[in-house]
Amino acid sequence: DQQVKQNSPSLSVQEGRISILNCDYTNSMFDYFLWYKKYPAEGPTFLISISSIKDKNEDGRFTVFLNKSAKHLSLHIVPSQPGDSAVYFCAFQGGSEKLVFGKGTKLTVNP
Amino acid sequence: KAGVTQTPRYLIKTRGQQVTLSCSPISGHRSVSWYQQTPGQGLQFLFEYFSETQRNKGNFPGRFSGRQFSNSRSEMNVSTLELGDSALYLCASSSGELAGTDTQYFGPGTRLTVL
Repeated sequence: DQQVKQNSPSLSVQEGRISILNCDYTNSMFDYFLWYKKYPAEGPTFLISISSIKDKNEDGRFTVFLNKSAKHLSLHIVPSQPGDSAVYFCAFQGGSEKLVFGKGTKLTVNP
Repeated sequence: KAGVTQTPRYLIKTRGQQVTLSCSPISGHRSVSWYQQTPGQGLQFLFEYFSETQRNKGNFPGRFSGRQFSNSRSEMNVSTLELGDSALYLCASSSGELAGTDTQYFGPGTRLTVL
């Protein structure tokens, strides 16, 4: 039973445009939501997070949106840059779960 | 501050052998969590240690075990290796003070190949 779904395994965008990455979840006990970025041969790097009491958190070019009623989490990157090309994982904490990850979306930003 | 370090980076073992992986957390961090990453299952939580005690455990068989030392360094052991244990094993450290919400910082991982 998948608690987290990252339905797009890959996404390709042009440099300067917006990248939108999405995750859906089913566990209503999740109360802390994170995004990690991963380059090949490296561990995931923390990007941005949001707690369940908020619906938006911004950090520079990165904005995370949480829609609790729809159990939907998204990450917006604007403007996208070629260095943003990586695999992005959504991750969830809460209840008895330490950290549950989505399967990742490979983002490619084309110059 | 130095990041999370893991040794070795790469390891090749044969079925039936056992393996020990090591993780040194960020200085001052007391929580160490271990994850397994495979192409089919993605990133899956193995267990978490805090102050030398296992605080959380994922759904893995008893062949997977770990421990934490008084300096917060942690080791993970896998006994009787199976082909399906081939994966990237990631260690993550956090302060551990906010059990549900403290951010975890990952090491580069140990790539284990079982032949």
